[in-house]
Formats: sequence, structure tokens, C-alpha cells
Amino acid sequence: RKEVEQDPGPFNVPEGATVAFNCTYSNSASQSFFWYRQDCRKEPKLLMSVYSSGNEDGRFTAQLNRASQYISLLIRDSKLSDSATYLCVVTPGGSYIPTFGRGTSLIVHP
Amino acid sequence: GAVVSQHPSWVICKSGTSVKIECRSLDFQATTMFWYRQFPKQSLMLMATSNEGSKATYEQGVEKDKFLINHASLTLSTLTVTSAHPEDSSFYICSATLTGDPADTQYFGPGTRLTVL
Repeated sequence: RKEVEQDPGPFNVPEGATVAFNCTYSNSASQSFFWYRQDCRKEPKLLMSVYSSGNEDGRFTAQLNRASQYISLLIRDSKLSDSATYLCVVTPGGSYIPTFGRGTSLIVHP
Repeated sequence: GAVVSQHPSWVICKSGTSVKIECRSLDFQATTMFWYRQFPKQSLMLMATSNEGSKATYEQGVEKDKFLINHASLTLSTLTVTSAHPEDSSFYICSATLTGDPADTQYFGPGTRLTVL
């Protein structure tokens, strides 16, 4: 089993739709969780950290489920500009070396 | 804050030459810097982890003699691709973690696109 798994998609949704991605991780001792966004031929940019209590930033909501070992990202009212690849990043406990998921591709169409 | 720069942003070179890529944290001191490689439509692949003043830790399968990493200061790490070949053509990205930042947040440089002819 891969350490961090994501559905590669693509998720093809119309503008205004709500879309959710999940990311599962195998190391139960993982401590830090993040969602990054990567546009084509660009570097990843931090979207949000994921805290145990969950966190929300505008249209984006991130949740952590330690019992089931997954994190989620919910995007409400999708915009065309949300089209990108969303990377899940997990840092195992006892290590500061991050593990990236392969990313989930989102395409928002008019 | 937390800006990371890379130079050059792109480079084209002949097979057999060496290419040096610089990664700088502009407004903070970076505890750790990471070097990644990404091939088209693939995920980021961690190549090595470097801490200032110590030898880099390379991931399995990454040749340390081919990819030389020098982390001279808390704001600068360099990656030298020695005797580059066409199969080394890729997108090389560095990242840095900020001392004291919420744990393990990485800030990425804009990447360097290497094309070896």
C-alpha cells in the first residue's frame, strides 16, 4: 500500500459545483497534513494546513479523520480558476520528510 | 513572507555538461531544504534532504555523485547535475521549511526546467 494515496481524477465539474477530494495515508503516527495546489508547469503552492479540528478558508474546507486515516478537501462554488492538481502532503511522525500524494486533477468548466 | 527563489528558471544544455541550480530562502532562515524532481504528468519525487552544514540525505535510487548538493548557509542550497544527459531533463523544484513555522510547512521555489540536448 502506498504511503499517501489520492484518486488522480480528473474530476470534471461545472462552475458553481461543490467537489470533494480524499487522501488516505498509511502511517498512523503521521503528524502534519497539508493540501497544496499545483498548476501546470508550476511549483506547488500551499493551499492550507489541515488541523485535527478541521479548518476553513473561504470556499475551501479541510478535514482530518485520524481514525480512518484520511484527510479531505472540500471546494464550494467552484471557479474556473480552481482548475489545478491538488496534492496531499503528509509528514510521518518522527520524521520531517514529507510524503506527497500523486495529486488529484480538477477541471472546472463553464 | 516565506519566499523561496530558484535560479535559473530554465536551462538548456548539451549532454555531458554540468548544471548548477540555486535555491534561496529570501526572507527567512530555512532549517531544511528539499530537492524534488518532477517528470511530465507525474508526481513530485523527493531526491534529497539537506540541512545547513551537513551532508545531504539522498533518497534511494538517487545518485549522490551525480546530483551534488551543497547547503552552504541557512538561506542557500545548490544542486549540481553533473554530466547531464537527456534523461536528466526534468522540472527540478526546491522547497524550504521555516524554522518555527507550523510544523513542517514547505515553501516551494518556482522550479527550474532543465532540458538536456
